[in-house]
Parts: sequence; C-alpha cells; structure tokens
Amino acid sequence: AQSVTQPDIHITVSEGASLELRCNYSYGATPYLFWYVQSPGQGLQLLLKYFSGDTLVQGIKGFEAEFKRSQSSFNLRKPSVHWSDAAEYFCAVAGGGGSYIPTFGRGTSLIVHP
Amino acid sequence: DVKVTQSSRYLVKRTGEKVFLECVQDMDHENMFWYRQDPGLGLRLIYFSYDVKMKEKGDIPEGYSVSREKKERFSLILESASTNQTSMYLCASSFPSGPGEYEQYFGPGTRLTVT
Repeated sequence: AQSVTQPDIHITVSEGASLELRCNYSYGATPYLFWYVQSPGQGLQLLLKYFSGDTLVQGIKGFEAEFKRSQSSFNLRKPSVHWSDAAEYFCAVAGGGGSYIPTFGRGTSLIVHP
Repeated sequence: DVKVTQSSRYLVKRTGEKVFLECVQDMDHENMFWYRQDPGLGLRLIYFSYDVKMKEKGDIPEGYSVSREKKERFSLILESASTNQTSMYLCASSFPSGPGEYEQYFGPGTRLTVT
C-alpha cells in the first residue's frame, strides 16, 4: 500500500530565508507525487506534481521539488520565503495498486517570522 | 480554470440534525471525493464516486452517506450529526483517466460545528 510521511509537523523560518519541506513515500513503482498548499480557511491548491521525466519539478509561487527514487523522497524547496507563504503544506502520492486516489501526508505547518 | 464550489463555508448544527453538504464542479469530471480534515490527522477520505449514482466507501464512512444524482454534484449527508463530526469538510474532483486523474481539484471547504 502507498503511504506518505511528512516528518515535520511545524517549520518556522524567517522571511527571506530558504525553505525545505520533507516528504517520504512508500510505493512499489514510479509514483505520481504532488505538493498542495492550504492557506488558512481555504481548500487545497496544487503547487506542483511529478509523473515522470525530469526529477526536478517547478511549480507555482516559486516552489520546486526534487524526486529522489533512491531516498523515496520528494522534498519541496523555495530559495526565499515570503510572509504570504505561511500555510499548511501537504505531500501526496498516487498510483499504488492502480488506484487513482491519492494518499496524503499529515501536513507541515509553515510559520514565517518577519 | 476548474472550479469546485461548496454550498457553505461555515455551518453550525445541533446534535441529531440531518446535515447536507453540497459540492458542485464545473469541469465535467467523473471522479468526486469527500474528505474530512482534522488537526494532526491530515485528510481522511470519507466517500468517493467515479460516476453518476456510483459511490465507494473511503477510509472513514461511518456516520456518513453520499448522493450523486448528477455528474457535477456530489452531496455528503450526515444522517444524525454528532459532536465528533465537527470538522473541516473538503470536496474534490478529478479527471477519469490518464496521469491527470490523480490530480485533484479542491473546493474551499465547509467548516462544520455540531453543538
């Protein structure tokens, strides 16, 4: 069965600092991987996705993520965080056992200090 | 752009009431989903539907039912609301086939409080 682990419940960074949010997945073959962002009181918005090809994926709002098969990881990065990036971030994996239903991690809450 | 709308952003109901949460998508998606979101637990799948009048149980279906009479509309029903159903409810939809079917589009959520 597919699963996702986001090891960090909360991450605090200063505005302008770099960011890396961790995501580890468990899946037998090449997975479909996603990062979503949820601003306070809102639904989830897709930041980026990986299906195949280039392992470094660019997304919206200046985010990128790198797929590393050897480490079963899909970490999200941003070189310089803005106060508006404060939100909940969810990693998700799909495709396991032929299921199109994603499995979500428990989320990482990003706090940005001025 | 795909748009998924939910009938209410905030809802307050009393214990024992029957509650309807409505979700509508405008992109002709076959797949629709209902999740509940609780702090520290992430998103948990309640029910999903891959076609009109079709439904499948997710991970936590107890206490809920669903209805899909039209392709664009997926309703979540709490037959007799209880305080432990106080939560954020998120609706999502996705394409039916190909890699794109794994990518979900979410509504803004309904914050339900049962008192």
